[in-house]
Amino acid sequence: DSGVTQTPKHLITATGQRVTLRCSPRSGDLSVYWYQQSLDQGLQFLIQYYNGEERAKGNILERFSAQQFPDLHSELNLSSLELGDSALYFCASSDSPMASGEQYFGPGTRLTVT
Amino acid sequence: GQQVMQIPQYQHVQEGEDFTTYCNSSTTLSNIQWYKQRPGGHPVFLIQLVKSGEVKKQKRLTFQFGEAKKNSSLHITATQTTDVGTYFCAGGGSQGNLIFGKGTKLSVKP
Repeated sequence: DSGVTQTPKHLITATGQRVTLRCSPRSGDLSVYWYQQSLDQGLQFLIQYYNGEERAKGNILERFSAQQFPDLHSELNLSSLELGDSALYFCASSDSPMASGEQYFGPGTRLTVT
Repeated sequence: GQQVMQIPQYQHVQEGEDFTTYCNSSTTLSNIQWYKQRPGGHPVFLIQLVKSGEVKKQKRLTFQFGEAKKNSSLHITATQTTDVGTYFCAGGGSQGNLIFGKGTKLSVKP
């Protein structure tokens, strides 16, 4: 158990819909990272927040947004969903603002868009 | 943008054989991390290398970071069935984020 929690575990929704994925980081970690894992694409970095502020941005679509709240939990919002958005979404946390420390991954949310 | 290439994509070995996966970047990396993801699981941190030419060992696993800090390798000696999974390298990019390779999926035949 990494100490990072993600809800829900599974999500099935239709094209055009909007969903919110939630992540609670490990106790004491200020950084939250979001990743998308598709079958042949490995782990795609989406976005990082550190202590409530956006720290780094990866290949995140404009239809996707995220935020980190004062209690440090984070939410990833996916809107106007397309079939290609079906993937495993991981949240990870670390105690560093930089990518120079171990990242602890949550169990992931499997999103299926039909 | 920055990319980290990882080869091979798949590797099938007989139990007891050695296994190596390689990572290459076109740009200098600030550090390299290695993660293992078991089937159906989430990535788990294995190790981080920071210094040029660094070599670290964890039991049967040997990790290397190249002199130019652009490549890395993970070598497993005498694989066991418990080594099954996907091994990812992740390089520290210029934005302070981690750039993951696509991973090497290892299967071990008993």
